[in-house]
Amino acid sequence: GQNIDQPTEMTATEGAIVQINCTYQTSGFNGLFWYQQHAGEAPTFLSYNVLDGLEEKGRFSSFLSRSKGYSYLLLKELQMKDSASYLCAVTKSTLGRLYFGRGTQLTVWP
Amino acid sequence: DAMVIQNPRYQVTQFGKPVTLSCSQTLNHNVMYWYQQKSSQAPKLLFHYYDKDFNNEADTPDNFQSRRPNTSFCFLDIRSPGLGDAAMYLCATGRKDEPEQFFGPGTRLTVL
Repeated sequence: GQNIDQPTEMTATEGAIVQINCTYQTSGFNGLFWYQQHAGEAPTFLSYNVLDGLEEKGRFSSFLSRSKGYSYLLLKELQMKDSASYLCAVTKSTLGRLYFGRGTQLTVWP
Repeated sequence: DAMVIQNPRYQVTQFGKPVTLSCSQTLNHNVMYWYQQKSSQAPKLLFHYYDKDFNNEADTPDNFQSRRPNTSFCFLDIRSPGLGDAAMYLCATGRKDEPEQFFGPGTRLTVL
């Protein structure tokens, strides 16, 4: 089976930095995605990690440790528009079937 | 622009009345996925097509069926919707051997 855990809710203020953690225990692992989902909308792709280490993309960075079954998404210089649900998802093969966590609802306050 | 399109965006049906949700793509991707996402829950994979090969998830109820008449279109049929089937239904596409999936805007289904 698959077990993907992330915090349910987080809050932060504009301009701050926030780190959203994700731990996973899955029967097989190929890579880990982070998606952003605004209320009532489809998930949009943020990052994909296959190898250990940090991937930086503008204000967003994602880290993966395969040996620890752990990832985090780092958001810098938070803006109000970053208020959304952030979904961690594991893929077990190159076919791309995704197994999602429940999502972390981030609220950014002015 | 190449994209994934879902119609309708909002669908209301009655308990037990069959309903069909539509997904089309201009990306020419060979894999298409259907996910169910209930309120405040993670998207859950129902099934996917690799070309014309249908792959059902073990825990997908028989009430849910799918058709893919060609590369561009994929349909989700709910034969007898129950109140518990009210959810957002997300269609996604991808290429074999490439992990990224591209999501449509979703269809929010209400069952009365």
